[in-house]
Amino acid sequence: ELKVEQNPLFLSMQEGKNYTIYCNYSTTSDRLYWYRQDPGKSLESLFVLLSNGAVKQEGRLMASLDTKARLSTLHITAAVHDLSATYFCAVLLPGGSNYKLTFGKGTLLTVNP
Amino acid sequence: DAGITQSPRYKITETGRQVTLMCHQTWSHSYMFWYRQDLGHGLRLIYYSAAADITDKGEVPDGYVVSRSKTENFPLTLESATRSQTSVYFCASSVAGGTSGSPSYEQYFGPGTRLTVT
Repeated sequence: ELKVEQNPLFLSMQEGKNYTIYCNYSTTSDRLYWYRQDPGKSLESLFVLLSNGAVKQEGRLMASLDTKARLSTLHITAAVHDLSATYFCAVLLPGGSNYKLTFGKGTLLTVNP
Repeated sequence: DAGITQSPRYKITETGRQVTLMCHQTWSHSYMFWYRQDLGHGLRLIYYSAAADITDKGEVPDGYVVSRSKTENFPLTLESATRSQTSVYFCASSVAGGTSGSPSYEQYFGPGTRLTVT
């Protein structure tokens, strides 16, 4: 059974600071996804990481994937209030043709002025 | 409108009633999924479908029924609603494979249905 753990689950940070959200998973997989969810809204795709060493950046967010360590990170640079949201990582279940994702519990990020 | 839509967006029903949540996508994606989102549990997969007439159970299928007679529609039915099924339900779709290179299997989510069972 694939398990996906995110930490921290809650993150309160000041504007202008840097921080990293971690996503660990239990079984080999080379497909990892980061989503953002605003309160009361749906999930919005942020990054799709398709191979070991993949790094993607969009604005103040950068995601990376280390398949050997079974770890992905979402790094926030110089946080701004607009980044306040819940961030989920999700891992593709390896093997077969099910294409199912297993989600972490999410990290609630609050950026304070 | 292109994309993935869900209806209704909000629903209040009574314990024991049958209720159907609708999901419609216009991308002709092969795969469709139903999740429920609850505080403390994140998103949990209820059912998924690889194509029309092909469905399979996810992590939490009990109390739910799905069907997929057409590629674009994937309704979720609660046959006899219980209070524990109060949740936010998301439908998602993805392409089974890419036309070139390595497929991403990225899932695209609908706006969600907030269901309350009283």
